[in-house]
Amino acid sequence: DAGVTQSPTHLIKTRGQHVTLRCSPISGHKSVSWYQQVLGQGPQFIFQYYEKEERGRGNFPDRFSARQFPNYSSELNVNALLLGDSALYLCASSRLDRESNEQFFGPGTRLTVL
Amino acid sequence: SQQGEEDPQALSIQEGENATMNCSYKTSINNLQWYRQNSGRGLVHLILIRSNEREKHSGRLRVTLDTSKKSSSLLITASRAADTASYFCCGKRGGADGLTFGKGTHLIIQP
Repeated sequence: DAGVTQSPTHLIKTRGQHVTLRCSPISGHKSVSWYQQVLGQGPQFIFQYYEKEERGRGNFPDRFSARQFPNYSSELNVNALLLGDSALYLCASSRLDRESNEQFFGPGTRLTVL
Repeated sequence: SQQGEEDPQALSIQEGENATMNCSYKTSINNLQWYRQNSGRGLVHLILIRSNEREKHSGRLRVTLDTSKKSSSLLITASRAADTASYFCCGKRGGADGLTFGKGTHLIIQP
């Protein structure tokens, strides 16, 4: 079975631009979460979506937004990019099982803001 | 803020030796999970231990959890070069909260 897929793998933008990152979860997983990982740090939780609704949000500015589609794929949008937004953006899917909540991560999209 | 804090930040050992990493967290959790990340790629789930468990094994991995001290340890026995990676602990508080990761321990296995 295919794992979590993300596109694109790498992206270079300039300050002030906006970016859209895409994620396809594992088949059968209805929950998608987004994380930001800057160099040398652990991933930071941005959003969790389940059944097309936002179920959780981390401490990120309103420039960050996301949505989930009927097929459970998801997009992360970042507006007015700043240099500090340069990071690896990770998508994870899960069954949203209260017992485990094991998350399956995609390979990430590396965003560089110049 | 990052709830989990791994210790040490970096660890270098010889192949075949055991590697121990520690993790401390701040708030109550439902479960604690350990993930591995190779070279800035996606994370791979290693093991989950629930708050009512004290020890858990999976292959060469052994995880302990002390909720009174809000700490956990990950032991990798008989290390291999392929174990070279960053290891993160993360807590799950409940509901739809995302995972809260620490900064990780970078493990290097010398051949």
